[in-house]
Amino acid sequence: EIVLSQSPGTLSLSLGEGATLSCRASQSVSSNYLAWYQQKPGQAPRLLIFGASSRATGIPDRFSGSGSGTDFSLTISRLEPEDFAVYYCQQYAQLPLTFGGGTKVEIK
Amino acid sequence: QVQLQESGPGLVKPSQTLSLTCTVSGASIRIGGYYWSWVRQLPGKGLEWIGKMYYTGATYYNPALESRVTITVDTSQNQFSLNLRSVTAADTAVYYCARPAFSKKDVFEIWGQGTVVTVSS
Repeated sequence: EIVLSQSPGTLSLSLGEGATLSCRASQSVSSNYLAWYQQKPGQAPRLLIFGASSRATGIPDRFSGSGSGTDFSLTISRLEPEDFAVYYCQQYAQLPLTFGGGTKVEIK
Repeated sequence: QVQLQESGPGLVKPSQTLSLTCTVSGASIRIGGYYWSWVRQLPGKGLEWIGKMYYTGATYYNPALESRVTITVDTSQNQFSLNLRSVTAADTAVYYCARPAFSKKDVFEIWGQGTVVTVSS
């Protein structure tokens, strides 16, 4: 099983600042089959990024993903009020599918 | 527009079976190449994939839950279901059904709203 570790656990930032979230895998994620989701309280997760760096339909370009192998990142270039949420990474390279523990982006 | 809706009891007694159904609208569950999944979220914690099924009945389960899980499909009703046996308080969670964005890629674009299941006597 591929274990995903996200850091930091919480990120306290101000509106307009940039954010970089990390996701590290316990083994290489083949074909960069790594996705990122955003989740707000009481809502289902929302797909942001797939294939490590491709934005899902309707996702603003301030969200970008990068990385390969075991180290991946999600960058939010300028935080908008609606971006304060919890972010999860997920690998879909092999079963069982696994998610990281999440990074909470909160308003400073 | 594809939509998923979970339904089932919100309260289950310990040692009993948790049964949930996901109703698919806006698309056929028989669409080629798409596996339909169940994912849960434990209180205050992250996400855990439970398992997935294809409309033919083929299934894959998370080894951590495999001994207690069954996922079935009813193509006539455009639904698929989750059964989790011998539940304990540790199974209290929000349960989601989800569909991938792409054929043969388990990246979840479409989610149900989630249903809260509490295991308690």
